[in-house]
Amino acid sequence: AQSVAQPEDQVNVAEGNPLTVKCTYSVSGNPYLFWYVQYPNRGLQFLLKYITGDNLVKGSYGFEAEFNKSQTSFHLKKPSALVSDSALYFCAVRDRAGAGSYQLTFGKGTKLSVIP
Amino acid sequence: EPEVTQTPSHQVTQMGQEVILRCVPISNHLYFYWYRQILGQKVEFLVSFYNNEISEKSEIFDDQFSVERPDGSNFTLKIRSTKLEDSAMYFCASSQILNTEAFFGQGTRLTVV
Repeated sequence: AQSVAQPEDQVNVAEGNPLTVKCTYSVSGNPYLFWYVQYPNRGLQFLLKYITGDNLVKGSYGFEAEFNKSQTSFHLKKPSALVSDSALYFCAVRDRAGAGSYQLTFGKGTKLSVIP
Repeated sequence: EPEVTQTPSHQVTQMGQEVILRCVPISNHLYFYWYRQILGQKVEFLVSFYNNEISEKSEIFDDQFSVERPDGSNFTLKIRSTKLEDSAMYFCASSQILNTEAFFGQGTRLTVV
């Protein structure tokens, strides 16, 4: 079975400071990994993904994430936080070994608050 | 930019009533999904749909649930006899091929009273 852990319910960071939102995963095979962001009263917006290749992936709005296979982690990062980054962030995984498995498994979400 | 659209944005229904949630996936996408998020909880997979049939479903997706793609554009989720515990935000999503990201709609908030 696949699972995702986001250990922090909330992350607070000052505007202009770097931010990190943590994610670890568990799959039986190799993972497809995703980050989504949810603004209030909005749907889930895709930020970035790791499928294969370079462990550092870059996505929308200046976000990036690093895939670390040995630590089974896929932490989301941004060098300089903006107040507009304040939202709920979800990490999700799909097991590549699950041929024909279509479902994404989500973490419980981390609320990011960027303080002016 | 193409997007997944869902209607209605909010649906209130009485327990035991049937509801249909509607979605228009992105036009060149082949895989369609429903997820739900009970308030304060994780986003949970319900069902995936490909080539006009269910390709995978979770244990949540019991006989009370059904999906349909009645024409070339709409994708619907039907709950036959709603229960209080069906109250949640329901998200439709679509992806072009299996190994790419899914794009989500803005959700339908279903409230069962």
